[in-house]
Amino acid sequence: GAVVSQHPSRVICKSGTSVKIECRSLDFQATTMFWYRQFPKQSLMLMATSNEGSKATYEQGVEKDKFLINHASLTLSTLTVTSAHPEDSSFYICSATGTGGFEQYFGPGTRLTVT
Amino acid sequence: GQQVMQIPQYQHVQEGEDFTTYCNSSTTLSNIQWYKQRPGGHPVFLIQLVKSGEVKKQKRLTFQFGEAKKNSSLHITATQTTDVGTYFCAGRSNYQLIWGAGTKLIIKP
Repeated sequence: GAVVSQHPSRVICKSGTSVKIECRSLDFQATTMFWYRQFPKQSLMLMATSNEGSKATYEQGVEKDKFLINHASLTLSTLTVTSAHPEDSSFYICSATGTGGFEQYFGPGTRLTVT
Repeated sequence: GQQVMQIPQYQHVQEGEDFTTYCNSSTTLSNIQWYKQRPGGHPVFLIQLVKSGEVKKQKRLTFQFGEAKKNSSLHITATQTTDVGTYFCAGRSNYQLIWGAGTKLIIKP
């Protein structure tokens, strides 16, 4: 149980375009979802936390207008990277916690490459 | 700001040797979690420690939470190739989960 999927697993886009990444909890209701960014050989950097039906809480230094997060249902959250630039190229991972739970279940991640 | 320092960044061991990673927080934590990320994979939850001085074991893994709830350690006895990966701690403070930088366990060939 407690499976989180992410789509797409890899995406290549041109500079200036927008990319949407989906994060789904497949067998539980995700009351809270987290979006992380991970650079090669580095730790996870929390970008934002979203609760279903509420606006996401962004970490300091993360541009909310650039990284749009929507958590419209208990099983789906989306991250849209708007007007992507090469420096946005990274590995984006989502995670989710269920009702009353504390452990985070991670998705497999999405490798974004902006050319 | 609040920080969780994790050391070492890398540890090379011979198979069968022990491995330890340490996390230290600048503030008192309400709890601390440990995750393992295999090469090319995503983090997987290992355990959560909540109580001061708590020690928990999972087979060859021993997790400790300091008396002051500011530090924690993960010790692996007699490492195996399946232990390879990066181990992260994540401490909760003021409703925030603060991640350590991770310690990469490398088994020498």
